[in-house]
Amino acid sequence: GNSVTQMEGPVTLSEEAFLTINCTYTATGYPSLFWYVQYPGEGLQLLLKATKADDKGSNKGFEATYRKETTSFHLEKGSVQVSDSAVYFCALIDSGGSNYKLTFGKGTLLTVNP
Amino acid sequence: NAGVTQTPKFQVLKTGQSMTLQCAQDMNHEYMSWYRQDPGMGLRLIHYSVGAGITDQGEVPNGYNVSRSTTEDFPLRLLSAAPSQTSVYFCASSYQSLAGGVETQYFGPGTRLLVL
Repeated sequence: GNSVTQMEGPVTLSEEAFLTINCTYTATGYPSLFWYVQYPGEGLQLLLKATKADDKGSNKGFEATYRKETTSFHLEKGSVQVSDSAVYFCALIDSGGSNYKLTFGKGTLLTVNP
Repeated sequence: NAGVTQTPKFQVLKTGQSMTLQCAQDMNHEYMSWYRQDPGMGLRLIHYSVGAGITDQGEVPNGYNVSRSTTEDFPLRLLSAAPSQTSVYFCASSYQSLAGGVETQYFGPGTRLLVL
C-alpha cells in the first residue's frame, strides 16, 4: 500500500535560518505529491504540489522537488519567518485514475523564534 | 465562495450518544472525504465519496456512517460515540482533473469532538 514518512519534529529554528523537512514515500503507482500546512487552530491548506518526476513545486518561498529515484519530496525554505510556524504534512495521491485516497505523513511541527 | 464549511466547531458528547457532523461545499466538487486528526498519527481517511449516491470506506471507517444525497453535502454520523472517537475531524473536497486524477483537496476548518 501507499505510505508517507516524514521527519519527526518538533523542529525549532531561528528566524532567517534554512529549513529542510524530509519526506519519503512508498506508492504502487505514479503518485502526485503534496505539502500541506496547518496553522494553529486552522484546517489544512495546500502549500505546493508536484505531479510527476523531476517537477518542482514552489510557493511562498518554499520548494520541493519530486525525486522518483530516491522516492523523496523534501521541503525546503532558504530563510524562515516567525509566520512560518505551523505543522507541515507531506502527502500523496496515487494517480491511477480511480484512487482518490490522500495518504498523509504524521506531520512536522515547525516553530520559528524571532 | 464559502469553500468547505463544517459545523459544529466544537462538540462534547457522552459515551453512547449519537451526533452528525455537517460538511458542505459550494465549489461543485465531485469528491468529498472525512479525515480524523490525532496527535502523532497525522490525518487518516474515514470515508469518502466520488459523487452523489456513492460512498466508500477509508482507512478507519468503524463507528462512522456517511451518505451523499447531494453534491454539496457530506455528513458524518456517529451512531454511538466512544472515547476513542475523541479527535479533530476534517472534511475535504476536490474535483477530478482532465487527466483523470484528483486535484488539490480543499479542507474545512475542522470540528473538535470530545467524547466523555
